[in-house]
Amino acid sequence: GAVVSQHPSWVICKSGTSVKIECRSLDFQATTMFWYRQFPKQSLMLMATSNEGSKATYEQGVEKDKFLINHASLTLSTLTVTSAHPEDSSFYICSARDSGTDHYNEQFFGPGTRLTVL
Amino acid sequence: SQKIEQNSEALNIQEGKTATLTCNYTNYSPAYLQWYRQDPGRGPVFLLLIRENEKEKRKERLKVTFDTTLKQSLFHITASQPADSATYLCALDGWLDDKIIFGKGTRLHILP
Repeated sequence: GAVVSQHPSWVICKSGTSVKIECRSLDFQATTMFWYRQFPKQSLMLMATSNEGSKATYEQGVEKDKFLINHASLTLSTLTVTSAHPEDSSFYICSARDSGTDHYNEQFFGPGTRLTVL
Repeated sequence: SQKIEQNSEALNIQEGKTATLTCNYTNYSPAYLQWYRQDPGRGPVFLLLIRENEKEKRKERLKVTFDTTLKQSLFHITASQPADSATYLCALDGWLDDKIIFGKGTRLHILP
């Protein structure tokens, strides 16, 4: 099946710093990628839809100036958490749909990035 | 607003038995319903997708049913094994956009 990678798998940073998380589709092209956040024992909450070559679409309540998304190529989307604070500590997961397949509705998820802000 | 309920937060099943997980939804008419498996500290893994005009879908030991009248899906694992222990997420996929909405999941424990 299609593989999505994320880097880093975990990161610890100081409050006020910015952190960039990469999401790559390794063996397929993805015109659309998705960024989720998951708190312990909670569901995945969609933060934004990342569209290649255009601006991301953010869900209600998600600050676009705080969570910067860039989808510069068909295989890479990045999420930058700017001026991170302890309440931003969470598990961030990306996913992608394979644009070139009949199984377009399947979403392939990355392994997630654990962010801890001190 | 749209709501998805997976009505068991946790479920313990004896090895070899069939595990049945339930997903109910309101205020939504999905085109597709999907089931994912998530292990601790990992991203979800796609298991099965069922379309709104399909009643049942099978894959090896997995079976999913979809009742659009009841607004409910059942997810069955037959001949359950301890390796099936994980959190299982139900997700709804709509007609109008690319987004899918996840339930909170059910933590399944298969007891040896």
